[in-house]
This record gives sequence, structure tokens and C-alpha cells, in this order.
Amino acid sequence: AQKITQTQPGMFVQEKEAVTLDCTYDTSDPSYGLFWYKQPSSGEMIFLIYQGSYDQQNATEGRYSLNFQKARKSANLVISASQLGDSAMYFCAMREGNTGGFKTIFGAGTRLFVKA
Amino acid sequence: GAVVSQHPSWVICKSGTSVKIECRSLDFQATTMFWYRQFPKQSLMLMATSNEGSKATYEQGVEKDKFLINHASLTLSTLTVTSAHPEDSSFYICSALLGREQPQHFGDGTRLSIL
Repeated sequence: AQKITQTQPGMFVQEKEAVTLDCTYDTSDPSYGLFWYKQPSSGEMIFLIYQGSYDQQNATEGRYSLNFQKARKSANLVISASQLGDSAMYFCAMREGNTGGFKTIFGAGTRLFVKA
Repeated sequence: GAVVSQHPSWVICKSGTSVKIECRSLDFQATTMFWYRQFPKQSLMLMATSNEGSKATYEQGVEKDKFLINHASLTLSTLTVTSAHPEDSSFYICSALLGREQPQHFGDGTRLSIL
């Protein structure tokens, strides 16, 4: 069974600084995808970044980068130059490729607070 | 980009009422859609996978007769909460899948309040 763990219920970061949100996962499927989503207080889910299990390089999307450590089964999200608008809930998610029927399972989430 | 429309965004109704929530993919065909439930300050819990033209696949612990899912076309999936009670009050959110390595595209969610 697949499992996603986010151990940080809440994080504070000073505006303009970088912050790392932790995510570890567990799966026996060699083919899987890892996603990060942002959920502001309004409720919509905003896709941030994707990393495939066979990707050789860490994914980057603007100020977001994914620190993918396959052997450790971790996929931490790094947000550089934090902005006040980054304050939100962040979810790590995983989709198994071969056995999961493409369903995506979410971690418990980390609430990020950006301080001015 | 791909857009998923979810309607209604907010429902308040009396206990015993059945409520239907629609999820539409606006500019693409979605053979697979997902329905999630989210309690306040918690994560998204997958309820079921909706496949066009076939029965939905429900997650363990989700009552099939309570949460009816219909995926009659490639652009529409519906979730009907039958005989809703206060404990069914929650945030329900749907998503559609474009491809295996693609992110899900989410609707904006439906806040359901049962009085």
C-alpha cells in the first residue's frame, strides 16, 4: 500500500527567505509520480510541481524545486524567496504507476505561514 | 490550460435531502475522475475513482449506497449524497486526470452543510 508522510503540521518562514517542506513516501511500485499542491484558505487545489520516479534530475518550477532523494524515499519541496502569498496549506501526493489505478494519495499537509 | 468546473460551490440543506454535485471537464475528455472529501484542517481523503462508462471504484469504508457516483460521459461525473445527515457535512472536491504523468486538475470544491 502506498503511504505519504508529512511530519510538519506547521512552518513559519520570514518573507524573502527559503523554506523546505518535508515529505516521505513508501511504495513497492517502481513506477510512481510525486506531486506538490498548494491549497489557500479559499479551498482550491493548485498544482505546483511534479517528479517522476525515473527522472534523473530534480524538478524545478520557478521558485519551487523538489529535492528528490529516491534512496531515502523523500521528496521535499523547497520554496525560495518566500512571499506573503505563499501562506497556505501544502500537500505532498503520490500516484503509483503500475498498480495504483492512477489514484493519487495525499499526505496530511503542512501549513506554511510567511511572516512580513 | 485544462479546467475542471464543479457545481455548486456551496450547499446548505435539511437533513434527509439528497444532494447532487457535478464535476465537468471543460476543454478535455476525462476518462477518469476522482472524488475527495476534506474535513476542516485535514487532508484530502479519496472517496472513489470514477471511470466513464463503468461503475465507480470506492475506497474502503466509503458507503456506495450513500455516495452515488455516475460518470455518464467523458466530460461529466456526478456525486449524489443520498439522504444527507449532519455528519455528511464536509468539503467535497473532484478532480480529472489527463494522463499518467500529468497532475490532476481540480474543481474548486463544494462546501456541503446539512442542518
